[in-house]
Amino acid sequence: NAGVTQTPKFQVLKTGQSMTLQCAQDMNHNSMYWYRQDPGMGLRLIYYSASEGTTDKGEVPNGYNVSRLNKREFSLRLESAAPSQTSVYFCASRDRDRGGYEQYFGPGTRLTVT
Amino acid sequence: SQQGEEDPQALSIQEGENATMNCSYKTSINNLQWYRQNSGRGLVHLILIRSNEREKHSGRLRVTLDTSKKSSSLLITASRAADTASYFCATAALSGGYQKVTFGTGTKLQVIP
Repeated sequence: NAGVTQTPKFQVLKTGQSMTLQCAQDMNHNSMYWYRQDPGMGLRLIYYSASEGTTDKGEVPNGYNVSRLNKREFSLRLESAAPSQTSVYFCASRDRDRGGYEQYFGPGTRLTVT
Repeated sequence: SQQGEEDPQALSIQEGENATMNCSYKTSINNLQWYRQNSGRGLVHLILIRSNEREKHSGRLRVTLDTSKKSSSLLITASRAADTASYFCATAALSGGYQKVTFGTGTKLQVIP
């Protein structure tokens, strides 16, 4: 089991460029999440998908879109990158979204927007 | 605003000492989880305590939960250099039929060999 994988690991964008961050999990989990982590801010939820075919906004969704392509894959798209989106992005998955189940995290994508 | 706030923000101890980190939160929760993050890596789940539990142990980890004070603590006993990492609490509460998890800002632990 690879767990949760993310691509790319690093990316530098110019302001206004677009890109898609990819995430895949091989644990047959229903729920998937996208977070961003900024110094001193902890992790903030951008979007989540409770199950295949559904997506919902989290705490900081502005400037982002997501696609739950199938049960395995959950992508995050920046349509027009801004310097404020410089951050480390983590994808996570969980087996169920009711009750107390742990989240499994990918290794992260470090994004710099200049 | 963040649901969980850890304190201290940073902690430096000698190997073999115990490390205690605290987490305070604002609203009712279903459970509280602690995660660990090594530098440049993703978070790894350590332990979960449910709202009806007061204490839980896992190896060298001891977690307590006081729902009346809306606080939790993570104790790492007999610390090792390999415990150097950031530790995050995450509170989970039902919201619209789904469990919403909110992470705190973390405590950065340094264990000096």
